[in-house]
Amino acid sequence: NAGVTQTPKFRILKIGQSMTLQCTQDMNHNYMYWYRQDPGMGLKLIYYSVGAGITDKGEVPNGYNVSRSTTEDFPLRLELAAPSQTSVYFCASSYYQARTEAFFGQGTRLTVV
Amino acid sequence: TQLLEQSPQFLSIQEGENLTVYCNSSSVFSSLQWYRQEPGEGPVLLVTVVTGGEVKKLKRLTFQFGDARKDSSLHITAAQPGDTGLYLCAGLGRFGAGTRLTVKP
Repeated sequence: NAGVTQTPKFRILKIGQSMTLQCTQDMNHNYMYWYRQDPGMGLKLIYYSVGAGITDKGEVPNGYNVSRSTTEDFPLRLELAAPSQTSVYFCASSYYQARTEAFFGQGTRLTVV
Repeated sequence: TQLLEQSPQFLSIQEGENLTVYCNSSSVFSSLQWYRQEPGEGPVLLVTVVTGGEVKKLKRLTFQFGDARKDSSLHITAAQPGDTGLYLCAGLGRFGAGTRLTVKP
């Protein structure tokens, strides 16, 4: 099994550009999450989804959008990139929200200049 | 305000020493999880604690869930350089800021 796959691994964006970070999982998990991790810090929840067609805001949703059209895919969209969005982004999935392990992708390192 | 507060933020010790790191919240959790993250990688689950007062051991690591299910601790006995990393507690998809542990040979 591939687990959770994120693309791209690295990206440099100019201020005002837009991009989509891709995330796919092959474990048939209900829950999927997007986090950002700033240098030396923990993970902040951006958005999460409890299943196809259902998404909800996390702690830091401003400047981002998500969709969940299938169980497998959970893309994160940045519409107008800002320097404050420079971070490492992790996608994760789990079967339930509590008591079950969340599996993480390898991360996307995004720099906005 | 963090839902889960972790302390200390940084910890640097010599090989062979013991240490304890803490995860505290004002909220009650049905379970808490501990993850370890190494540079350039995503977090990897160490343990899930579910029952108030529960103690789980993973080799030299001992995890405890508070009786009121609002806090948890991780104790490492005889730390090794391989224990170096960022230790994160998590509940309901939310993470604490982590404790960055460095174990010097």
